[in-house]
Amino acid sequence: GIQVEQSPPDLILQEGANSTLRCNFSDSVNNLQWFHQNPWGQLINLFYIPSGTKQNGRLSATTVATERYSLLYISSSQTTDSGVYFCAVESDSNYQLIWGAGTKLIIKP
Amino acid sequence: GAGVSQSPSNKVTEKGKDVELRCDPISGHTALYWYRQRLGQGLEFLIYFQGNSAPDKSGLPSDRFSAERTGESVSTLTIQRTQQEDSAVYLCASSFGTKQTQYFGPGTRLLVL
Repeated sequence: GIQVEQSPPDLILQEGANSTLRCNFSDSVNNLQWFHQNPWGQLINLFYIPSGTKQNGRLSATTVATERYSLLYISSSQTTDSGVYFCAVESDSNYQLIWGAGTKLIIKP
Repeated sequence: GAGVSQSPSNKVTEKGKDVELRCDPISGHTALYWYRQRLGQGLEFLIYFQGNSAPDKSGLPSDRFSAERTGESVSTLTIQRTQQEDSAVYLCASSFGTKQTQYFGPGTRLLVL
């Protein structure tokens, strides 16, 4: 099945810094989503981005489907950005979302 | 309601007991998913419903786990004869259909003593 790898596994930054999170996947996908899980466990969908670039405020994402990776950019980080960022992909063959292990982001004030 | 809701929010049970977890999806969402998340880990797919049928049960870890959905709405996940390794957060998500954005509930935190 599809393998999803996220990097880095952990990231600690000062408030105001920018960051780039990466998601690599091993096969072609129909669907790629980025999620943020806050320290209380709530999962929020950030982007539905099987290809191309999207922006939402300080966050943007780019997926290059032909090269099998996606990037999540966070600019001017705030302490509320802390949490775990997950990338999840859906293959052609079934409807399961296959999840990466996540990047744990800590933003220090 | 406006979002996916799950109940109970927390459940503590004794090993060997049965538990039932409930998910109320967003109204109109035909697809419903159950996931398990162990402490500090990513999400593990359990089962997916399209309407009231479950075309993909491949993620259920054992025959102690079962799920049903009625009226294209509420779903229940039942774990029989709970074991300590069942302790985890059980998350439910819904979407308008497959290959659509999934919206997650707050989860049920299950602790088996």
